[in-house]
Amino acid sequence: DIQMTQSPSTLSASVGDRVTITCRASQSISTWLAWYQQKPGKAPKLLIYKASSLESGVPSRFSGSGSGTEFTLTISSLQPDDFATYFCQQYHSYSYTFGQGTKLEIK
Amino acid sequence: QVQLVQSGAEVKKPGASVKVSCKASGYTFTNYFIHWVRQAPGQGLEWMGIINPSGGRTSYAQKFQDRVTMTRDTSTSTLYMEVSSLRSEDTAVYYCARVHDYGDYSPAYWGQGTLVTVSS
Repeated sequence: DIQMTQSPSTLSASVGDRVTITCRASQSISTWLAWYQQKPGKAPKLLIYKASSLESGVPSRFSGSGSGTEFTLTISSLQPDDFATYFCQQYHSYSYTFGQGTKLEIK
Repeated sequence: QVQLVQSGAEVKKPGASVKVSCKASGYTFTNYFIHWVRQAPGQGLEWMGIINPSGGRTSYAQKFQDRVTMTRDTSTSTLYMEVSSLRSEDTAVYYCARVHDYGDYSPAYWGQGTLVTVSS
């Protein structure tokens, strides 16, 4: 199985900050990577698919980049609603593994 | 609009089985694969497998090969995921999720989740 290593596990930031979360794959997954936001008690919400495509309805402050084994999710200017947990997932080959998550906290 | 509505919470004893349902609406049922993902309390997301509602073909994560069965009923646009030989570690919220579109298999549309509690 492809392993996904996400960092950091926790990130403290303030409203207006620019933040970046990284995801590394144990082997090349081309651009078959998605990013999700999850809030407590809710289902995950798709933000980015195919590494850099913004899902419809997602604010443009979210962006994704990368290919092969290195990927990043960037939030350009944090808003109060963005404090949540973020997960990456590879869907290049079964099993479609997730990263362990990054909890974005208010500083 | 795409909707996935899952069955209600379950409490099961160790060794029992549980069958979670996921009713789809708002799109052509047989055209899009469905993922199943689970999340133990306070933990991350774990991919369990995927089913093609058109022919019923499945692919399971190796960890679940022996204990999970995913099926579908095209007459009611409903997916099912059964886990057998339950143990306490199977306590989790189970989600169904439809793929994004024809060319992209990311789980894009999610059900509300079904809490399965395994306890003696």
